[in-house]
Amino acid sequence: EPEVTQTPSHQVTQMGQEVILRCVPISNHLYFYWYRQILGQKVEFLVSFYNNEISEKSEIFDDQFSVERPDGSNFTLKIRSTKLEDSAMYFCASSEDIYYEQYFGPGTRLTVT
Amino acid sequence: GQQLNQSPQSMFIQEGEDVSMNCTSSSIFNTWLWYKQDPGEGPVLLIALYKAGELTSNGRLTAQFGITRKDSFLNISASIPSDVGIYFCAGPGNQFYFGTGTSLTVIP
Repeated sequence: EPEVTQTPSHQVTQMGQEVILRCVPISNHLYFYWYRQILGQKVEFLVSFYNNEISEKSEIFDDQFSVERPDGSNFTLKIRSTKLEDSAMYFCASSEDIYYEQYFGPGTRLTVT
Repeated sequence: GQQLNQSPQSMFIQEGEDVSMNCTSSSIFNTWLWYKQDPGEGPVLLIALYKAGELTSNGRLTAQFGITRKDSFLNISASIPSDVGIYFCAGPGNQFYFGTGTSLTVIP
């Protein structure tokens, strides 16, 4: 069964460093998403991406964040200058259409020290 | 943003018991989704609902899309230990909104 994959599973970085989180969405899906989940809290929407551009973003997705689909299979989230409060699980998801069910990857645990 | 409130916040039940949880919103949704999340893992889709009033089953799970389109219910029958986890409702609007979650503990 097709699934969303994410790498790395765990990333430790120092405050102020840049990180890139990688995702491979399900191959026939057209919509891609990033979410954040701080430990013990609910999943929070960051951004949706369609047709090589951002379609929606939340107030969390500020100028330190960017997304890219560098090739036909990968979807990346870049955090330019990490802060302690960026420590969280980051999930990638994809869907066939905007109002269809989304399928989530296993997540990347980001720890900023 | 839109708020999806789930109740109860947590449940402790005996194995074999039935479970019921619900999700309410101040705004209408055209799609309701239910996910289960195990610790340290990504949400896994359980049931998708696309029509007001729709009742859909997936094994021991049954979910309903409320007729007002502002709520949804998830029932689990004959709970087993592997049902343990956090259950989230979710719905797409301008963004994709997740509920506050219901934590389920099943006591063998």
